Amino acid sequence: DAKTTQPNSMESNEEEPVHLPCNHSTISGTDYIHWYRQLPSQGPEYVIHGLTSNVNNRMASLAIAEDRKSSTLILHRATLRDAAVYYCTTGAGANSKLTFGKGITLSVRP
Amino acid sequence: DTAVSQTPKYLVTQMGNDKSIKCEQNLGHDTMYWYKQDSKKFLKIMFSYNNKELIINETVPNRFSPKSPDKAHLNLHINSLELGDSAVYFCASSQDLTPRGYTFGSGTRLTVV
Repeated sequence: DAKTTQPNSMESNEEEPVHLPCNHSTISGTDYIHWYRQLPSQGPEYVIHGLTSNVNNRMASLAIAEDRKSSTLILHRATLRDAAVYYCTTGAGANSKLTFGKGITLSVRP
Repeated sequence: DTAVSQTPKYLVTQMGNDKSIKCEQNLGHDTMYWYKQDSKKFLKIMFSYNNKELIINETVPNRFSPKSPDKAHLNLHINSLELGDSAVYFCASSQDLTPRGYTFGSGTRLTVV
């Protein structure tokens, strides 16, 4: 019952931009789009979230399609430390149940 | 100063045993969660507590019982452990009234032999 779909994996070169796509075609009007990442042997960590407008923070940018049925996480300059599993999920707020699919495994080549 | 801490980090035990995993958060968050991550990396929510009250209880065997003595702690007790319970269990917390997201602990790797 995954609410989002992502490619299984993606490769990038170090210091190049990375665009990680996510489809969430059943998103409701009040759901936020959240991105988390999980480094090896660690718990998931928050990356970014948004509702309708594109968002930027020190870690990444989030580009949200006008119909909100898809979004793209943008890492402007990939580093080796960005190699992780990136999860896209949707939810209405802090107390909504966030469910996570398999995520997309990002590999970064030196 | 860890925000969400879980103990133990690793737990190896035999089938049929009873074990507990502890979780504490020092963020002042109102809601805490337990997630299970299986070998295929799916993260599935098990339970959620808000201010010591159970608000989410997914389809989890009743061998799993969460306990929240106060809003900073959420422990997970598992009775009669089975091989299929082997997984990584993550505790998380979040603050009410904001979509800021969850803070996860570093996980407890449970291996049932």
